[in-house]
Amino acid sequence: DAKTTQPPSMDCAEGRAANLPCNHSTISGNEYVYWYRQIHSQGPQYIIHGLKNNETNEMASLIITEDRKSSTLILPHATLRDTAVYYCIVRLPLTDSWGKLQFGAGTQVVVTP
Amino acid sequence: DGGITQSPKYLFRKEGQNVTLSCEQNLNHDAMYWYRQDPGQGLRLIYYSQIVNDFQKGDIAEGYSVSREKKESFPLTVTSAQKNPTAFYLCASRSAGLRDGNTIYFGEGSWLTVV
Repeated sequence: DAKTTQPPSMDCAEGRAANLPCNHSTISGNEYVYWYRQIHSQGPQYIIHGLKNNETNEMASLIITEDRKSSTLILPHATLRDTAVYYCIVRLPLTDSWGKLQFGAGTQVVVTP
Repeated sequence: DGGITQSPKYLFRKEGQNVTLSCEQNLNHDAMYWYRQDPGQGLRLIYYSQIVNDFQKGDIAEGYSVSREKKESFPLTVTSAQKNPTAFYLCASRSAGLRDGNTIYFGEGSWLTVV
């Protein structure tokens, strides 16, 4: 799996957009970018994933650069409930590599009133 | 709603006792996983199952046992042989569709405390 680098923490004002960066300069052509978050004392929650194109769902948008070496998760209107640790993961689908899942340190996002 | 249900959420166990954590999914996923997470740490794989009646040890299987008699269910037993069982346990299942990116989904977790 490609190594990912995320800032350790960031603050965001409630109602504003939160832009979470992730560097994955060693990503291979078939690896997907996945984003999860973990709220304290809860299981990790899947947010979104993508390969090349930008993706959007009801939770967030994922912007992947053209060279695929970095991506940004966008929470369009952050709420207090979005306070969590956010993890960027790069891995191949169609394998059982999820068994060796490594979340890394992630980014601690704190949304303030 | 579709999802993964773990129970109980909180469990206390006396030393020397076995305890079983339940994991049920209605996502029709073949693959299921058990992870352990210690405070401030990442996930460590205990056991995983690719299909009914089959399961494989993960990185820290010692002191744990599982069964997979039904597609929907993957219970984890923490035995008295597990030296340090106090932890947060996570069950997960994986979709099989490329369109879904083979995404893994997690339950809400079970806190086990040995007293």
